[in-house]
Amino acid sequence: SQTIHQWPATLVQPVGSPLSLECTVEGTSNPNLYWYRQAAGRGLQLLFYSVGIGQISSEVPQNLSASRPQDRQFILSSKKLLLSDSGFYLCAWSPLGGSNQPQHFGDGTRLSIL
Amino acid sequence: QKEVEQNSGPLSVPEGAIASLNCTYSDRGSQSFFWYRQYSGKSPELIMFIYSNGDKEDGRFTAQLNKASQYVSLLIRDSQPSDSATYLCAVVQGGKLIFGQGTELSVKP
Repeated sequence: SQTIHQWPATLVQPVGSPLSLECTVEGTSNPNLYWYRQAAGRGLQLLFYSVGIGQISSEVPQNLSASRPQDRQFILSSKKLLLSDSGFYLCAWSPLGGSNQPQHFGDGTRLSIL
Repeated sequence: QKEVEQNSGPLSVPEGAIASLNCTYSDRGSQSFFWYRQYSGKSPELIMFIYSNGDKEDGRFTAQLNKASQYVSLLIRDSQPSDSATYLCAVVQGGKLIFGQGTELSVKP
């Protein structure tokens, strides 16, 4: 069966520090991968998605970036965090086959910026 | 107009009752519809998906889709306190999965 791993579970970072969140998927090949952010009391906002190695689509302009160095690895990064970057970051995967496939989420990373 | 709209709630139902959660969407061409359950502090968990008009049942859950009215709903029969969570409706629009803000459900013993 497929599993998705995200780490760390929680992170407290000072403003201006860098960020790296990692997500890996097991048990499937060529998944579509996604990064979402959920601010407190709000809905999920799609940040990035990837349909293959090195292929990244950005949904919102911001100081975050994403990379997919391997088929089942997705990384979210920032060079300098802002207070507004606080939130619950979720990685998700869906099977190859287009956007109509269900997405499955990892456990998430709760990021607090001080 | 919001792309995917849900009542934020909270919706409160007694244990054993039917909980009815509703969602409307703006893109008439949408073909895929999903319901996720999110417990407080946890990530969303897929519980139902529906692609065709009509009803789809899975245990205590029934998803209902009416494309003409651009309306999708989730019924939870025999509601249990463990069903207390936020339920997110998600619709594929323009090739992307768009989430509603979620409806908070509280099932009282």
